[in-house]
Amino acid sequence: GQNIDQPTEMTATEGAIVQINCTYQTSGFNGLFWYQQHAGEAPTFLSYNVLDGLEEKGRFSSFLSRSKGYSYLLLKELQMKDSASYLCACMDSNYQLIWGAGTKLIIKP
Amino acid sequence: IAGITQAPTSQILAAGRRMTLRCTQDMRHNAMYWYRQDLGLGLRLIHYSNTAGTTGKGEVPDGYSVSRANTDDFPLTLASAVPSQTSVYFCASSDSLDSYNEQFFGPGTRLTVL
Repeated sequence: GQNIDQPTEMTATEGAIVQINCTYQTSGFNGLFWYQQHAGEAPTFLSYNVLDGLEEKGRFSSFLSRSKGYSYLLLKELQMKDSASYLCACMDSNYQLIWGAGTKLIIKP
Repeated sequence: IAGITQAPTSQILAAGRRMTLRCTQDMRHNAMYWYRQDLGLGLRLIHYSNTAGTTGKGEVPDGYSVSRANTDDFPLTLASAVPSQTSVYFCASSDSLDSYNEQFFGPGTRLTVL
């Protein structure tokens, strides 16, 4: 079956760095997405990886290892506004997104 | 303002009633999607459309139907609502079904079926 695993909740301190991990098993693979979702709002796109390696975008970076079925999202210089859920999603062979349940990130001052 | 709109924002519905959730995008995207989001679960795809006039079933299509008469609109209909359809429903769109296209989400409709 298809499965995306990520931690349910993480806590970090303002100004620090946090890494959110995601492991996946899907029927085929056409890329991995990370989305941010603030409480009561819609998900918004953060990153897309289809090749192995690290993609950096400002304070956020995303890493992919296809051989390990593994990705992480790295958030640097954490700000209070980064408190949100982070959703990992894989695109399968039918170009449908399979979503993880999300990681709720709590930032403390 | 470019984006996706959904209506209504929230709705309380009696079981057995028919309900249509509306979704409109003005980005001229070819692909559109309907998801439901439930606590503790990931977003689950209900139906999708890769272009006007065509639709497809996602992971959880039972009890739902869609139509795509034009590029902009993608309504989702619950023919006879049941309490298990209580959820937050998100409409999304992307330029196409291709892998590298990010999906843009509407603000969601919170539906409660009693």
